[in-house]
Amino acid sequence: GQNIDQPTEMTATEGAIVQINCTYQTSGFNGLFWYQQHAGEAPTFLSYNVLDGLEEKGRFSSFLSRSKGYSYLLLKELQMKDSASYLCAVRDSNYQLIWGAGTKLIIKP
Amino acid sequence: NAGVTQTPKFQVLKTGQSMTLQCAQDMNHEYMSWYRQDPGMGLRLIHYSVGAGITDQGEVPNGYNVSRSTTEDFPLRLLSAAPSQTSVYFCASSEQDGTGDQPQHFGDGTRLSIL
Repeated sequence: GQNIDQPTEMTATEGAIVQINCTYQTSGFNGLFWYQQHAGEAPTFLSYNVLDGLEEKGRFSSFLSRSKGYSYLLLKELQMKDSASYLCAVRDSNYQLIWGAGTKLIIKP
Repeated sequence: NAGVTQTPKFQVLKTGQSMTLQCAQDMNHEYMSWYRQDPGMGLRLIHYSVGAGITDQGEVPNGYNVSRSTTEDFPLRLLSAAPSQTSVYFCASSEQDGTGDQPQHFGDGTRLSIL
């Protein structure tokens, strides 16, 4: 079967750096997305990786290794507003998105 | 800049009732989809559409119907509500056919409880 694994919950301190990992086993690979979802709200797009390497967008970066079936989202200079769930999603060989259950990130002052 | 609009935001139904969840987008997106989100699980695709007049089943289609008569609207129908359909439902849209790097834009969700 297809599977996306993320840690259920992580805690970090305001101003610090946190890395959220995502490992996947899917039938084929056609890109990986990261979304942010605040409690009670809709997911919003953060980043997209289809080739190996690092994509940087301001305080957020996303890394992909297709050979290892692995990605991470790196958040720098954490702010209280970064408290949210972070969803990893992989597009499989049929171009369907397979979603992880999400990582709830708690930021402490 | 409405984006994706879902109605209603909250709904309580009794087992066996039917209802339609509305979804409309004003971005002229071809690709639209319906997901359900349950605690401890990833978003699961119910149905999707790559353009007006075209719909297809996702991972968990049983108990749901969709239609796509216009580019803008993509309603989701619950035929006979069951407690297992208690969930948060999200409608999403994206440019083209959903195969590229275009992100999905989500509505605010419908929180549905079946008693």
